Amino acid sequence: DAKTTQPNSMESNEEEPVHLPCNHSTISGTDYIHWYRQLPSQGPEYVIHGLTSNVNNRMASLAIAEDRKSSTLILHRATLRDAAVYYCILRAHPMDSNYQLIWGAGTKLIIKP
Amino acid sequence: NAGVMQNPRHLVRRRGQEARLRCSPMKGHSHVYWYRQLPEEGLKFMVYLQKENIIDESGMPKERFSAEFPKEGPSILRIQQVVRGDSAAYFCASSPGTAYEQFFGPGTRLTVL
Repeated sequence: DAKTTQPNSMESNEEEPVHLPCNHSTISGTDYIHWYRQLPSQGPEYVIHGLTSNVNNRMASLAIAEDRKSSTLILHRATLRDAAVYYCILRAHPMDSNYQLIWGAGTKLIIKP
Repeated sequence: NAGVMQNPRHLVRRRGQEARLRCSPMKGHSHVYWYRQLPEEGLKFMVYLQKENIIDESGMPKERFSAEFPKEGPSILRIQQVVRGDSAAYFCASSPGTAYEQFFGPGTRLTVL
């Protein structure tokens, strides 16, 4: 069973920032927070991941709550190409036997032109 | 640098036939993961392989399903005596190691008539 909770869907206007929330209240100290997205009819693609500190890359930013029980994926300026299902996934430390990616249903992000 | 390749992209089989799905990982990647996705759902982990070894097959049905990743050639997911419930999208991902992000192929969409 997925260990994260995300809204089923969200809408945003093109060229505006998007904040995608994720709750993971049962996160353990060694769980990493990963985000992947899946565009229509394509395989998933990695977006970003973090452990405790906020992270930035060319695709997005990841803001992690101080207690680590929630996180937010931030798309700074959404385009129509960002319309996808976004998955928030907890991944155990690689030395842990439970290192698999456990996928929930994700959040379907709809971008309005 | 070619990404993860999967073939065929679409496969139609009649009940009772065999389905063979192929996955060529990215160059330099020795870790392969197989996932299954039903419509409107997240991915479900099936099996994790390294070259010539099955590391974790806990998500794969005990009967009719098998996977291999030979020393030479692609990884193969084999489904014997397919049933309608096997209809799904099957995704393969590769990585250079357990601790790294996974890179996904475009998937094989299996339809069982």
